[in-house]
Amino acid sequence: GESVGLHLPTLSVQEGDNSIINCAYSNSASDYFIWYKQESGKGPQFIIDIRSNMDKRQGQRVTVLLNKTVKHLSLQIAATQPGDSAVYFCAENIRNSGYALNFGKGTSLLVTP
Amino acid sequence: GAVVSQHPSRVICKSGTSVKIECRSLDFQATTMFWYRQFPKQSLMLMATSNEGSKATYEQGVEKDKFLINHASLTLSTLTVTSAHPEDSSFYICSANPGTGHQPQHFGDGTRLSIL
Repeated sequence: GESVGLHLPTLSVQEGDNSIINCAYSNSASDYFIWYKQESGKGPQFIIDIRSNMDKRQGQRVTVLLNKTVKHLSLQIAATQPGDSAVYFCAENIRNSGYALNFGKGTSLLVTP
Repeated sequence: GAVVSQHPSRVICKSGTSVKIECRSLDFQATTMFWYRQFPKQSLMLMATSNEGSKATYEQGVEKDKFLINHASLTLSTLTVTSAHPEDSSFYICSANPGTGHQPQHFGDGTRLSIL
């Protein structure tokens, strides 16, 4: 079936640089998107979300951009820190399908000093 | 707020054993909880939606008789892996929404299940 996917499986950035993690989705009925951070051996931790009626949302050091035309979602992390090293997942909720989430493949972010 | 607790965090047992995993919403009520499975270096795959007071909804390919789900109260859902075998070894994670509508799901810290 349709799924959420990621462009880059791994990303290595230097401490202090900005990070951009990308995600593509294929279902035009997706109306809610979430970015999660998962550290080793733990459950996903909510970072930021965005509804389909928006194209940008900002949080603390993070920004999510949504381009519905090309079905693309990105997570930008400003001034990346070693504590940001983790696996990042985008997840989508499809309109009228309940509130279960469909997760993308994940990107491993490694922040080097 | 919106804390989800999972127990146990790790289980190691022999093949053929049944294992029960608990998922609790600590500071909110959840009529719906979700169970996911995650294999190493892979994404989370939805197994089933747990509905308080009614039967769970299973995703295609997930055996209902293998993975028994009970959601007897608004703060507790349990997943029982019956007659577990080595191929059932995985990381099982639950989540819940603190309210209705589109809200970020809050996840437990998962249960690492290892079947020998």
